[in-house]
Amino acid sequence: AQSVTQLDSQVPVFEEAPVELRCNYSSSVSVYLFWYVQYPNQGLQLLLKYLSGSTLVKGINGFEAEFNKSQTSFHLRKPSVHISDTAEYFCAVTLGSSYKLIFGSGTRLLVRP
Amino acid sequence: DAMVIQNPRYQVTQFGKPVTLSCSQTLNHNVMYWYQQKSSQAPKLLFHYYDKDFNNEADTPDNFQSRRPNTSFCFLDIRSPGLGDAAMYLCATSRGGVSRASYEQYFGPGTRLTVT
Repeated sequence: AQSVTQLDSQVPVFEEAPVELRCNYSSSVSVYLFWYVQYPNQGLQLLLKYLSGSTLVKGINGFEAEFNKSQTSFHLRKPSVHISDTAEYFCAVTLGSSYKLIFGSGTRLLVRP
Repeated sequence: DAMVIQNPRYQVTQFGKPVTLSCSQTLNHNVMYWYQQKSSQAPKLLFHYYDKDFNNEADTPDNFQSRRPNTSFCFLDIRSPGLGDAAMYLCATSRGGVSRASYEQYFGPGTRLTVT
């Protein structure tokens, strides 16, 4: 079965420090990879996506992610976080030609002053 | 700005009293989705419409129904809400077509449903 694993349920970090949120997937077919952010009491907003081509993808708000096919990973990074980055982050994939988003369980990023 | 709108943002209903949540979009997307999100969990897909074609997820309870009268609007009906149906309900849209798996979904702000 295809799945998405976010190993860390919560990541606390100090303001201006770098952060990495981990995401691994398992799939026997081609995938498209997405990172969404959800602020409290809001819907989800796309940060970035990987479809093909360069494995380093840059997104909004200074985030980037690297697709690693051999390790089946798509980790999200930011070199310097702000208080306003405190939110829930979801990694998700679509498989083959399917419309359906398969979400990881989410990682809560908590940025402390 | 093109967007996905959900009304109301907060809805309180009584146990067993039917409730309808609404979603509208100005993106002119083919596909509209309804998700249920409980506290500290990922969104769970309930069903989606591809144009007028309704696609129900296998584990969506019969208590949940949906209507899409036109491209712009989609409704979620909960026929007899139980306490376990209290959650955030998210509407999303995306483009259709052969490359649909590569298209992002655009989410509305959600409706938080409380069942008393």
